[in-house]
Amino acid sequence: QVPLVQSGAEVKKPGSSLKVSCKASGGTFKSLTITWVRQAPGQGLEWVGGVIPVFNIPVYAQKFQGRVSITTDESTSTVYMEWSSLRSGDTGIYYCAIRDGYNFHAFPVWGQGTMVAVSS
Amino acid sequence: DIVMTQTPLSLSVTPGQPASISCKSSQSLLHTDGKTYLHWYLQQPGQSPQLLIHEVSNRLSGVPDRFSGSGSGTDFTLKISRVEAEDVGIYYCMQTRQLPLTFGGGTRVEI
Repeated sequence: QVPLVQSGAEVKKPGSSLKVSCKASGGTFKSLTITWVRQAPGQGLEWVGGVIPVFNIPVYAQKFQGRVSITTDESTSTVYMEWSSLRSGDTGIYYCAIRDGYNFHAFPVWGQGTMVAVSS
Repeated sequence: DIVMTQTPLSLSVTPGQPASISCKSSQSLLHTDGKTYLHWYLQQPGQSPQLLIHEVSNRLSGVPDRFSGSGSGTDFTLKISRVEAEDVGIYYCMQTRQLPLTFGGGTRVEI
């Protein structure tokens, strides 16, 4: 299994920008499918979107389309999720997860999560 | 979008006793490739979710055999034959039959 390490917790003001990262160690980055899942405070799991690096075409849940941008850097085996203008509703823990293969099925490896708190 | 509905919302179980969680989908999760894309995750307190079972009934390596999954089409069940203290947490079903991926609302299991 390829361990995942996510960037640290962030506290931001509404309207600010943010980029969080998820780095895959070992393995072959190009053989992976990567996904992001949000957990709002006290809530369940919600799929944000994902990307297959070899195709490099991100897909998003409609709720998050236009709100976040998922990008990859093959040279560092890192996936990023970026906001250009945060809102309080973006507050939550964001998990990245990966699987071998080019499809969005069961994800066996998860990062530790990145807490994003948006408050004025 | 495929809606996933889990019941019950919470479950209080005595150690050594069985537990069962139901998950129903608004559409069949049977893919044209013959596989059914329903998976179960456990989120232990303060932890990231962990995959327990994939494609209805396949336990991930290292998952105890007291966990079992069954079902087909739109109705699925996760069973724990004898609950242990380490099994506390929130269990989620998830479908990957089609995008967007969707999760059930979760079932909290407590001892």
